[in-house]
Amino acid sequence: SQQGEEDPQALSIQEGENATMNCSYKTSINNLQWYRQNSGRGLVHLILIRSNEREKHSGRLRVTLDTSKKSSSLLITASRAADTASYFCATAINNDMRFGAGTRLTVKP
Amino acid sequence: DTAVSQTPKYLVTQMGNDKSIKCEQNLGHDTMYWYKQDSKKFLKIMFSYNNKELIINETVPNRFSPKSPDKAHLNLHINSLELGDSAVYFCASSHLSVSSNEQFFGPGTRLTVL
Repeated sequence: SQQGEEDPQALSIQEGENATMNCSYKTSINNLQWYRQNSGRGLVHLILIRSNEREKHSGRLRVTLDTSKKSSSLLITASRAADTASYFCATAINNDMRFGAGTRLTVKP
Repeated sequence: DTAVSQTPKYLVTQMGNDKSIKCEQNLGHDTMYWYKQDSKKFLKIMFSYNNKELIINETVPNRFSPKSPDKAHLNLHINSLELGDSAVYFCASSHLSVSSNEQFFGPGTRLTVL
C-alpha cells in the first residue's frame, strides 16, 4: 500500500521560480527521502531527512519534516528547465520503503 | 561505472510465457529490491532481499519469484505472464540500515505482455 501522498499531483512553473512539493504520510517513520525520476529513467535519490531532523539543505534543495503533522516539503529554488521531472517522497519504516504517487514538475524556459 | 544495471531494457512477450529480468549492483550493498511502476506512475515494492531475509509484499502473485545467486544479483522470474503484468520493473539496492538506507535504482525494464 502507498504510504506517502504528494501534493500537488502536477506543478508547472517558469524558470527561475521556486517549486514547492508536499508529502503527507500516515505512520511513524525512521526517515523520509525524496527522489527524482526523469521520463523513462530510474529514480535518483536526492535527499534523506531523519525523523529527528526538521530541515535539510542540499544545493538548491530544501527539505522540511514535521513529524507531528506527518508531512514533509521539498523546495527547489531558482528552478531550471532541467528540473523538469517527477518527484517522489518515500517513507522508511525500518527497512521498508513506501513511495508516494509523485508530483510531476514542469519548468518552462 | 554502472551502479545498478538491469537487462533487458525492453521485453515484449505473449501471455502465458515465462520470462526473467536480471539485476546486478556493484555498490557492495547488502539489500536489493524489485519495484513495479504502473502506467499511473505508482511505484509499488514487490520484494526486498538480503542475505538473511526475503520479504515479499503480500499483494504480489506467486507467479513472481526473486532469485539471488549472490549478493550482487537479484533476478526476477515471472511465470505465466498476464496482460496486467505490463509495467516498468525497477531493481534497486541499498545498505541495510534504518538511518541511511537511500536506494539506488536501475534504469528499469519495460515489460509489455500481448
